[in-house]
Order: sequence, then C-alpha cells, then structure tokens
Amino acid sequence: KNQVEQSPQSLIILEGKNCTLQCNYTVSPFSNLRWYKQDTGRGPVSLTIMTFSENTKSNGRYTATLDADTKQSSLHITASQLSDSASYICVVLVTDKLIFGTGTRLQVFP
Amino acid sequence: DTGVSQDPRHKITKRGQNVTFRCDPISEHNRLYWYRQTLGQGPEFLTYFQNEAQLEKSRLLSDRFSAERPKGSFSTLEIQRTEQGDSAMYLCASSLGVSGSPLHFGNGTRLTVT
Repeated sequence: KNQVEQSPQSLIILEGKNCTLQCNYTVSPFSNLRWYKQDTGRGPVSLTIMTFSENTKSNGRYTATLDADTKQSSLHITASQLSDSASYICVVLVTDKLIFGTGTRLQVFP
Repeated sequence: DTGVSQDPRHKITKRGQNVTFRCDPISEHNRLYWYRQTLGQGPEFLTYFQNEAQLEKSRLLSDRFSAERPKGSFSTLEIQRTEQGDSAMYLCASSLGVSGSPLHFGNGTRLTVT
C-alpha cells in the first residue's frame, strides 16, 4: 500500500473551471508536504511546501491546504488554463526521506 | 540557464550495453539526488549525495548501478549490462539540503533498452 495516495488518478476539466486534487498520507513523523507539477517529458517543478503548522499556502492560482490531524492535503486550481495540463505529485518529507505519490494526471480542454 | 541540467535527454541502447548519464546541479546546492520514474508513477528514489559523499542508496539500486559525484559538483549515473526493465526516465535533482528547501529537478534522461 502506497504511503502517499492521490486521487483522482486522472481528471479532465474545461478551461476556466476550478478543480481540487486530493492527497492522503499515512507516513510519520511528518516534516513537510510538497506539491509538484510535472509537464509531460519534463522534471517536476515545486509549487508549494507546507509545514505542520501551516494549513494553507497559495502560489498564484494554486492553493494547497493541509490538515495534519487527518493527514490530508488538497491542491485547488482556480480558473484553469490549458497550460495547467500536467501531472500533480504530492510528496511528504518524513525525517530526511521524500515519499512520492503516484500523481494525478490533469487534462484541461478548451 | 542556472537550473539542473541532464545529459543526454534521450538514450536508446541495446540490452547488455553500458550507459552513463550526467547531471549538473545548481551550483550552490550541496545535495544531489537520482530518481527513476516509469510511466504513470511518481519518482522512485535511487541515491543521494551530500557534497561528494554518497549517503544513501535504495534497494532498487542493484550492483549494476553506480553513481559518483567527484568534487561535489556534477554527478554521473552508470548502468552496466542494461536490461529492458531499466527503461525509464532518470531524474536528477538538487537542493540546499535543509528540510524546507524544495528539490529542483532536471528534465531527465529517457532511457530505452531494446
């Protein structure tokens, strides 16, 4: 069982719509949680990093939330654009080790 | 461009051949990581360096794999006697080495073993 689970596995939305991606983790001790965006054929790019004490962090149209009690995080994308089409990967730092989720594949259509 | 660079971007090789990949991290970053990623999966940790010291290796890193980071600058990942199961994207990342620092990834080397 993956220690960092993401849902949905894939998502299709229309340009301009909002969407929310979910991440549940079971690992501990938790240090921080990160969201990365990965375009096809490229390396992942960091969107946000949140520590235990932070429950929301924004980066432009991307807003990440964290509930450390329930071990859940979400990434909300507002007013989606075609360029948002990518995989979004949730990553949890446990002590000194990064645990990667398998990602949510988002496709934005015009 | 001051990001992480990887070379080559693509490599096609025949089974049994040796291949070597290079990664140039962001210059002030003391940590360098190698990951492997297959289609539809997240990156899998292979190994990482703190400066020139290789501090951890994954169980995934069989004895056919070796990585070096001479002088704590660029790094190489060599795969000997390649197998078809080695086909994947090999990603390099670097960071400042503190827990709140993001990893900066290169765009990877896509290996295809025929």
